Parts: sequence; C-alpha cells; structure tokens
Amino acid sequence: DVKVTQSSRYLVKRTGEKVFLECVQDMDHENMFWYRQDPGLGLRLIYFSYDVKMKEKGDIPEGYSVSREKKERFSLILESASTNQTSMYLCASRLSGELYEQFFGPGTRLTVL
Amino acid sequence: AQRVTQPEKLLSVFKGAPVELKCNYSYSGSPELFWYVQYSRQRLQLLLRHISRESIKGFTADLNKGETSFHLKKPFAQEEDSAMYYCALRGKAAGNKLTFGGGTRVLVKP
Repeated sequence: DVKVTQSSRYLVKRTGEKVFLECVQDMDHENMFWYRQDPGLGLRLIYFSYDVKMKEKGDIPEGYSVSREKKERFSLILESASTNQTSMYLCASRLSGELYEQFFGPGTRLTVL
Repeated sequence: AQRVTQPEKLLSVFKGAPVELKCNYSYSGSPELFWYVQYSRQRLQLLLRHISRESIKGFTADLNKGETSFHLKKPFAQEEDSAMYYCALRGKAAGNKLTFGGGTRVLVKP
C-alpha cells in the first residue's frame, strides 16, 4: 500500500518566516510533486522532481523553492512566507512512465498571518 | 498549453437522480484524462482514467475528442458520492505532468 506522508496537517506561520513543508513516500517512486489547492482554482503545480537532486518549475513556482536530496523525501520551502501563500499544500508521488497512478498525501493546511 | 475547465463549482442532486459532471479540455495532441475524487477528510484519490474504459463505483466517463470533453456520469447518485471531483489531463509533451480543473463539489441530498 503506497504511503505518502506530509510532516504537518496544520501549520500557522507569520509573514516573513521561512517555512519548510516535508513530504515522504515509501514506495521508491522517482517522481514527486508539490501542488497548492485553492477553492475554485483546483490544484496548481508548484514544483516537481523526476529524481534525486532534480527539480523542475511547475505553473506557479514564484515564492517557492524545493529540495530533493533523497529519493523518498521532497521538501517545499517558502523563503519568506506571505499571506497569499495561505493554502492547502498537497504532495504526490508516482513511478516514472505513462501508465502509473499518482498518489497524494493528506495535505498541509498552511495559514500565514 | 494544456487547460482543463470544469464549469460547475457545485452540483446538488437528490439520491437516486442522475448526475453528470462536465469537463472540457484544451490540448493539441492525444491527452490522457483522469477523474480524481476527494471525500471529506480524505486524501485525493484516482477515480478513473479514460484508457481503462471501466466503471468505478457506478461512474463512467467517455473521452470525446471532437468536443474535447471528458464528462463524468452516474445514473443513480448515492449519498456517499458527495465529494469534490477534479478532472485532470496529462499531456505526453508536458513531462507527464497533471493539469487539474477547478473542481466540482457534488452534494447528494437524501
């Protein structure tokens, strides 16, 4: 059974703080993704990684960075949190290749005050 | 560019009534289409994909390339179908990334 876990379910931070969101998967998946989920906007891709130490910008990378030092872990970093980054953040992972399903974590609801 | 549009933000139906969630896409090529579902307090999960051509939990979806649509249908809605539904597209030229629509919330009333 695929398990994608995220370090926090709820997080409250102040404007200007550096924020780390952690995601870990236990199925040796090469591909990992970070999305934000907002009402009416659906899921929007922030960053993704095809493999260790690789990263690609998604559709809305501004204000975010990522780190993938180990295959099982993909971190999302908000260098200086702002109120417009208040959102639900979802991590996902999948095996490489077209036929494989993408599995999601439970999400982290981040509030920036 | 690839885009997915779900025109309805909310669909409210009575138990036993048919339900259809609309999904239109924009992509210049052969896309792969998916429906994902998120039940209350649960994580997002795959409901079905067009290449499987199967019915899951009574839901079906047909890819119509002429109309660029992938509508999700169920003839008799159940209360447990109440959830958030997302249509998603994966284009071969886009690094296998998924692009999601804005989502449709389905509420099935008793």
